[in-house]
Amino acid sequence: GNSVTQMEGPVTLSEEAFLTINCTYTATGYPSLFWYVQYPGEGLQLLLKATKADDKGSNKGFEATYRKETTSFHLEKGSVQVSDSAVYFCALTNTGNQFYFGTGTSLTVIP
Amino acid sequence: GAVVSQHPSRVICKSGTSVKIECRSLDFQATTMFWYRQFPKQSLMLMATSNEGSKATYEQGVEKDKFLINHASLTLSTLTVTSAHPEDSSFYICSARGAGGDQETQYFGPGTRLLVL
Repeated sequence: GNSVTQMEGPVTLSEEAFLTINCTYTATGYPSLFWYVQYPGEGLQLLLKATKADDKGSNKGFEATYRKETTSFHLEKGSVQVSDSAVYFCALTNTGNQFYFGTGTSLTVIP
Repeated sequence: GAVVSQHPSRVICKSGTSVKIECRSLDFQATTMFWYRQFPKQSLMLMATSNEGSKATYEQGVEKDKFLINHASLTLSTLTVTSAHPEDSSFYICSARGAGGDQETQYFGPGTRLLVL
């Protein structure tokens, strides 16, 4: 079956620290992988995506590489800002219909 | 581009009443829309998938008579929570998938927070 596992939070970092949020998956076939971000009281916003092995998705300083050999899609950012405080969801889809989300990782960045 | 709106953003209603939530794709045509429910500090749970002009497909465990979904046009889907009860209080989020080349990415609305008293 399909599932996504991401590291549990909450994660608290100081401004300008390095961020890694781990995400691993199990899937049939060749899924596309996504990171979505949810700011307080809002819906999900697409942060980045990758559709095939070794693809790197990047946006706003965040990046994640689709690693088929380790079934991972870890999110990284070299220097976080206070404005990055949010909940981050890793997700996959095989067909574009059923999305499988991780449980979300809450990030708080303190000045 | 790819903006999805929801209305209302918050609603408080009395137990036993019905509540309608609208989901609109503002700058693209959405052949498929999805409705999710999110409990506090949890992930999203897919409730149903709706295609324009046809009946919605509900996930296992979701009562189709309680959560009525209508996808009457390529830019509008509605979710009606009928005879709402306090346990229906939740954050409801819709998403839409475009009719264009990217058939995988879903664009999410800002969500509707429902509180049933």
